[in-house]
Amino acid sequence: DGGITQSPKYLFRKEGQNVTLSCEQNLNHDAMYWYRQDPGQGLRLIYYSQIVNDFQKGDIAEGYSVSREKKESFPLTVTSAQKNPTAFYLCASSKDSFRHYEQYFGPGTRLTVT
Amino acid sequence: GENVEQHPSTLSVQEGDSAVIKCTYSDSASNYFPWYKQELGKGPQLIIDIRSNVGEKKDQRIAVTLNKTAKHFSLHITETQPEDSAVYFCAASKRNRDDKIIFGKGTRLHILP
Repeated sequence: DGGITQSPKYLFRKEGQNVTLSCEQNLNHDAMYWYRQDPGQGLRLIYYSQIVNDFQKGDIAEGYSVSREKKESFPLTVTSAQKNPTAFYLCASSKDSFRHYEQYFGPGTRLTVT
Repeated sequence: GENVEQHPSTLSVQEGDSAVIKCTYSDSASNYFPWYKQELGKGPQLIIDIRSNVGEKKDQRIAVTLNKTAKHFSLHITETQPEDSAVYFCAASKRNRDDKIIFGKGTRLHILP
């Protein structure tokens, strides 16, 4: 089965702790993305990567970090500097950066920080 | 930069009736308009798209229309069924390597029995 997997589905952390969200794809896609979804806010872009070993900030990158060491993996770290980390996080991929308009999404990770 | 407005934020329709979701965009250079459907607890899924060189596209019960002059595009769902209940996102994009897709804030569609 080809697709994008995110783990875990639910994640709980204490305030002040860093946490890393996993995203893996076996679609052989070059580009990968991280979005944050809050009620009534739609999808906001955190970071994106057009190719391995390269990534760019999205609209709300503050308090987040990413790496892209392998084509199939794009983990997101939510640091303690992120003021409101509780949210639903979605990872996506596209065949390449030209076809960014056709994105395939994972099932999401709901992060709760208390 | 591009801005996409989506209305309504919530829509309830009787099963069997039609549903219409409307979006406007600001950047006249945008030329690709996908629609995504997000079911409860899942990630969004691309369901249909329209490109700037056509005015309408249909796929079974779903149709999208585009008015480039007015910078409006809409999603029409006919003969609605319970499985159409979901959140729908419109989006706008340009087919350039360094461009990003800009999403609307979503419409929660409820199909009433």
